[in-house]
Amino acid sequence: DQQVKQNSPSLSVQEGRISILNCDYTNSMFDYFLWYKKYPAEGPTFLISISSIKDKNEDGRFTVFLNKSAKHLSLHIVPSQPGDSAVYFCAASYMEYGNKLVFGAGTILRVKS
Amino acid sequence: GAGVSQSPRYKVAKRGQDVALRCDPISGHVSLFWYQQALGQGPEFLTYFQNEAQLDKSGLPSDRFFAERPEGSVSTLKIQRTQQEDSAVYLCASSLVSFGLGSYNSPLHFGNGTRLTVT
Repeated sequence: DQQVKQNSPSLSVQEGRISILNCDYTNSMFDYFLWYKKYPAEGPTFLISISSIKDKNEDGRFTVFLNKSAKHLSLHIVPSQPGDSAVYFCAASYMEYGNKLVFGAGTILRVKS
Repeated sequence: GAGVSQSPRYKVAKRGQDVALRCDPISGHVSLFWYQQALGQGPEFLTYFQNEAQLDKSGLPSDRFFAERPEGSVSTLKIQRTQQEDSAVYLCASSLVSFGLGSYNSPLHFGNGTRLTVT
């Protein structure tokens, strides 16, 4: 039973345009959500997070939106750059679980120059 | 070092062999996690340590998997009698705090992983 789903295996975007990566979850207990970015042969690196008391969190070019009623979150990257090309993982947790994260399968983002 | 260090980077084992994977967390990080990432999937939780105490091992797939962190620093994940289905990337991660509200400001820092191939 996949509690965190990233239904798009890959996404291709032109440099300078917006990239939108989506994530759905099923466990209503989740109250903390994160995005990790992963380059080949490297471990995932933390990108941005959001708690369930917010519906938006912004950090530079990266914004995460949370829609609790739809159990859906998205990551927006504006403007997209070729260096953003990587695999993006959505992850979720709740307070008792802390950093025991549940990950989605990832979305490969390709930013074309 | 500045980040989480894992060794070896690659390990090829014949089915039935025992393997040991090492993790050096970031200095001062209390919490240490092991995750398993199969090809095309996201990381999946295996086990968690707070200092030297293994507080959660619910993700270990079988009793062939064993992890330890005897001095609250370096950790070793051991897999006995390896099987082909054990082939995966094993990721170690550490954080200052792991549970409760504090963990929300203490995200996991991952190492580059050990890619295990069982032939």
